[in-house]
Amino acid sequence: NAGVTQTPKFRVLKTGQSMTLLCAQDMNHEYMYWYRQDPGMGLRLIHYSVGEGTTAKGEVPDGYNVSRLKKQNFLLGLESAAPSQTSVYFCASTIGTGYQPQHFGDGTRLSIL
Amino acid sequence: DQQVKQNSPSLSVQEGRISILNCDYTNSMFDYFLWYKKYPAEGPTFLISISSIKDKNEDGRFTVFLNKSAKHLSLHIVPSQPGDSAVYFCAASGDQGYQKVTFGTGTKLQVIP
Repeated sequence: NAGVTQTPKFRVLKTGQSMTLLCAQDMNHEYMYWYRQDPGMGLRLIHYSVGEGTTAKGEVPDGYNVSRLKKQNFLLGLESAAPSQTSVYFCASTIGTGYQPQHFGDGTRLSIL
Repeated sequence: DQQVKQNSPSLSVQEGRISILNCDYTNSMFDYFLWYKKYPAEGPTFLISISSIKDKNEDGRFTVFLNKSAKHLSLHIVPSQPGDSAVYFCAASGDQGYQKVTFGTGTKLQVIP
């Protein structure tokens, strides 16, 4: 049981380049989330999804887009990467009923030069 | 506006002693609180939670205390072990349903053998 898998684990981009981060979960969870972690800032919610085909904005959505075409996958896109988007990105999922903890992937470390 | 605050960025404790990690929140609508533990290069993992209808919850060496009037919760680890060395995140939900969780900035715990 892999849980939540994030691809890639590391990436270096140049300013203006685009890329997509992939999150896959095999727990049949309804809710999925993308966070970024920056020093001294904790985990901040970028976008989330409460089911296949749905997405919603979180606390820091600007510069990112997301898609949830399949229940098990949640994609985070950067259309034109900026140095301010250098961060560690975490994907999480939860079953979606009641107060259930989120299950996290191991993160994607992204550097924008 | 940081609604969940962990004012101690770091904490060092001797092995076998008690570790106390603190968390304060400002939003009175929060009614469910969680602690996550994070090792380097890994994603956060759920540790323990507490509902606002309780003031204490225990799980083995870990106990979470909630003081609603003070909007304060704490995590006690007794006895502390070197393997407990990690970053601990406090988190809260309930102001916007259980779908969204607000995280604190984290406290790095070092348990000294």
